[in-house]
Amino acid sequence: AQKVTQAQTEISVVEKEDVTLDCVYETRDTTYYLFWYKQPPSGELVFLIRRNSFDEQNEISGRYSWNFQKSTSSFNFTITASQVVDSAVYFCALYGQNFVFGPGTRLSVLP
Amino acid sequence: DAMVIQNPRYQVTQFGKPVTLSCSQTLNHNVMYWYQQKSSQAPKLLFHYYDKDFNNEADTPDNFQSRRPNTSFCFLDIRSPGLGDAAMYLCATSVTSGAVLSGANVLTFGAGSRLTVL
Repeated sequence: AQKVTQAQTEISVVEKEDVTLDCVYETRDTTYYLFWYKQPPSGELVFLIRRNSFDEQNEISGRYSWNFQKSTSSFNFTITASQVVDSAVYFCALYGQNFVFGPGTRLSVLP
Repeated sequence: DAMVIQNPRYQVTQFGKPVTLSCSQTLNHNVMYWYQQKSSQAPKLLFHYYDKDFNNEADTPDNFQSRRPNTSFCFLDIRSPGLGDAAMYLCATSVTSGAVLSGANVLTFGAGSRLTVL
């Protein structure tokens, strides 16, 4: 069985603060993908990153960075110097045999 | 730009009155998905088409049907909407050959169709 847990239901930060969104997954597959999606108030889910199970390199893209650790089955997402436009619901997802989304974390960045 | 387009963006229907939501894509992706997303919840997969092959999730109610007349289009039919069917319906596409590490396996989503049932 596959499962994605995002323990943080809601997070509020003040603009320019750093924030980390946690994601823990469960799977028996040895080969799988992990994803992060952003869902702004407009509703469209926007793809942010994909990481395959064989690639544990951390990745940085601008203010975004991802920390993948197979030993703890975690794929955490950090936003550095947060901005109001980062306010959205963020979903972590796992693809092994099928797509499984976590419950999402609602991030509010206050000016 | 290549994209996934859903129509209508907002649909209001009456209890029991059939409704059809459409999805079109210019990405030429072979897999198309329909998700239901209720407020403050994760998207829930209803079904997907792998090419022409229809795959229904075990817990998708019979009230929900889908059609994929060609690669570019996919429709979601709700035969008798109930109040509990009010939700955002998301269409997504991906390209995959079936093996987990082949293809992009990235879901590209449309903007969604928000259904209100009165």
